[in-house]
Amino acid sequence: KAGVTQTPRYLIKTRGQQVTLSCSPISGHRSVSWYQQTPGQGLQFLFEYFSETQRNKGNFPGRFSGRQFSNSRSEMNVSTLELGDSALYLCASSLAVGGQGAGELFFGEGSRLTVL
Amino acid sequence: GNSVTQMEGPVTLSEEAFLTINCTYTATGYPSLFWYVQYPGEGLQLLLKATKADDKGSNKGFEATYRKETTSFHLEKGSVQVSDSAVYFCALNVGAQKLVFGQGTRLTINP
Repeated sequence: KAGVTQTPRYLIKTRGQQVTLSCSPISGHRSVSWYQQTPGQGLQFLFEYFSETQRNKGNFPGRFSGRQFSNSRSEMNVSTLELGDSALYLCASSLAVGGQGAGELFFGEGSRLTVL
Repeated sequence: GNSVTQMEGPVTLSEEAFLTINCTYTATGYPSLFWYVQYPGEGLQLLLKATKADDKGSNKGFEATYRKETTSFHLEKGSVQVSDSAVYFCALNVGAQKLVFGQGTRLTINP
C-alpha cells in the first residue's frame, strides 16, 4: 500500500511569490491534515480537510490556504511568501471513521520550502 | 489552552541503556496521547498511543502510561539500540485529527 506522497520535495522561492504544495493520501483515507515544522516553533497544525471540507484550522494567517479534491488529494497554498515561511511542510492522512483512530496520522516525508 | 512539554534534548545514551523521555501536558477535556518518532530522512511515524487514563501504550519495546493525576505520558524503553536514534515527539489529540505536539527530543544511541 503506497504511503502519503508529497510533491515537490524541495523548492526555493523568493519573498512575495506564492507556492502550491500537493499531497496524495493513502488510498481510502479521507482526512488530510497539514503541519508546518520549523526549528523554532516545532510542529504546528495548519488545517485539516475531510470530504472536501475544512474541518479544523490552526492559528496561521489567511495567506495559508488549502483545499481537498473529490479523490481526497489535497493542496496547500501560501501566498505572498515571507522569509519566516521557510519550513518543512508535512501532510498527513488518516481513516478518520467516527471517533476511531482519532490522532492516528500517517505522515509524508514533507516538502521543504526555502524562501529567499 | 492545550499544550505539551517534553524534556529538552539532545539525549545521548549508550546501547542497552534505559531510556526515559518525559512528557507532560495541559488540556481541556480528555485527550488521547501519542508518541510519534521521526527517523533521519523520514516522515513522522506513530509509535504508540493511549486513549484514556491508566492506559499503557506499547510498541517496539517502548512503553508509555497515561497518568491523569500527574498529566504525564513519559516514554520508556528498557534497553535501547542504535537503531532507536531519532527525534521523538509527544502529542495530544484535541479533536478530529488535530494534534498538538511537544518540541521533540533528539535521541542518539552510541554503540
